[in-house]
Amino acid sequence: QKEVEQDPGPLSVPEGAIVSLNCTYSNSAFQYFMWYRQYSRKGPELLMYTYSSGNKEDGRFTAQVDKSSKYISLFIRDSQPSDSATYLCAMSAHTGGFKTIFGAGTRLFVKA
Amino acid sequence: DTGVSQNPRHKITKRGQNVTFRCDPISEHNRLYWYRQTLGQGPEFLTYFQNEAQLEKSRLLSDRFSAERPKGSFSTLEIQRTEQGDSAMYLCASSGRTGLAGGGPTDTQYFGPGTRLTVL
Repeated sequence: QKEVEQDPGPLSVPEGAIVSLNCTYSNSAFQYFMWYRQYSRKGPELLMYTYSSGNKEDGRFTAQVDKSSKYISLFIRDSQPSDSATYLCAMSAHTGGFKTIFGAGTRLFVKA
Repeated sequence: DTGVSQNPRHKITKRGQNVTFRCDPISEHNRLYWYRQTLGQGPEFLTYFQNEAQLEKSRLLSDRFSAERPKGSFSTLEIQRTEQGDSAMYLCASSGRTGLAGGGPTDTQYFGPGTRLTVL
């Protein structure tokens, strides 16, 4: 079993829809949770991070962490075609970053 | 330019040849990471430097792979006697005490565009 599980999709939604992306994990030591967006043939770019449990909102994006269920989510409101990309969850037990474990990524398509 | 840069962006080589990739991190970052990413997968950790010291190496990093960061600034990743299974995107990331404005925790990693390696 992988430490981080993420449904690879693809997920196809119409423009304006609310998108929900999720990851589950097995290592209860994870404290730092991140979401990266990766466009085709580009490096990942950090979207959001959360420390421990709770919610965090940034514009159209909301990240949620439920440590009791070992489940994290990213919600995208009013999705746009420009949101079409692969979304990677990532998590770490250490602030040092070098033990960051990534999910496989969910490929999202937003249709105009 | 305040981002991580990598060169070359693409490399095609024949099996058995040696290749070297370069990463220039964000200038104020003291930590540098190398990852490998294959199609449909997330980045897999290869190795990590704090300043010039290589502090962590994944078991994925066979003895054909070597990484250096001689002056604690740029880093190189060399693959000797390349194999077709080495074909992947090689990503570099950096982090440090002074992250970019609006960024995450002090050690959030910021990625470069990657070097795509194709071994024929």
